[in-house]
Amino acid sequence: EPEVTQTPSHQVTQMGQEVILRCVPISNHLYFYWYRQILGQKVEFLVSFYNNEISEKSEIFDDQFSVERPDGSNFTLKIRSTKLEDSAMYFCASRSPRGGYTFGSGTRLTVV
Amino acid sequence: QKEVEQDPGPLSVPEGAIVSLNCTYSNSAFQYFMWYRQYSRKGPELLMYTYSSGNKEDGRFTAQVDKSSKYISLFIRDSQPSDSATYLCASDGDDKIIFGKGTRLHILP
Repeated sequence: EPEVTQTPSHQVTQMGQEVILRCVPISNHLYFYWYRQILGQKVEFLVSFYNNEISEKSEIFDDQFSVERPDGSNFTLKIRSTKLEDSAMYFCASRSPRGGYTFGSGTRLTVV
Repeated sequence: QKEVEQDPGPLSVPEGAIVSLNCTYSNSAFQYFMWYRQYSRKGPELLMYTYSSGNKEDGRFTAQVDKSSKYISLFIRDSQPSDSATYLCASDGDDKIIFGKGTRLHILP
């Protein structure tokens, strides 16, 4: 069964450093998403991406965040200057043309 | 804006019992309703997907949507220890998924 692949599974970074989280969505999917889950809290929408541009972003997705699809397969989330409160699980998802969403296993980001 | 509300639990039930998990939602425009299962340190995994009001059954799982009361339910029959996980209700609103907080379920052997 096709999967959404995320790397790394766990990233530890120092406050103020830049991080890039990587995702390989399912190949025939057209919509891509990043979600965040702070420990003990709900899975929150960050951003959606379609046709090489952001289609919607939440108020969490401020100027410190950016997304990119640098080639035909990868979809990345960059956090420019990490803060302690950015520590969370970050999930990538892609949506099939028929509407079904598939989530990756997530990257656990720890900011120290 | 709390669009999908869910009791976080934890909910503990003995093996073999019927489990009932519930959510409410606020936006009457929501049409698609989903239940995801999430194991510790893993991504959400789609369990059930329903459109508008009605019931949908898949093996031991039944999803129910009542649009008049904005109520979403998931029933698990003959619960197993392997069903222990967090169950997230969600709705597909405005081309994205909006999740509830999730209910942590513990099936006791």
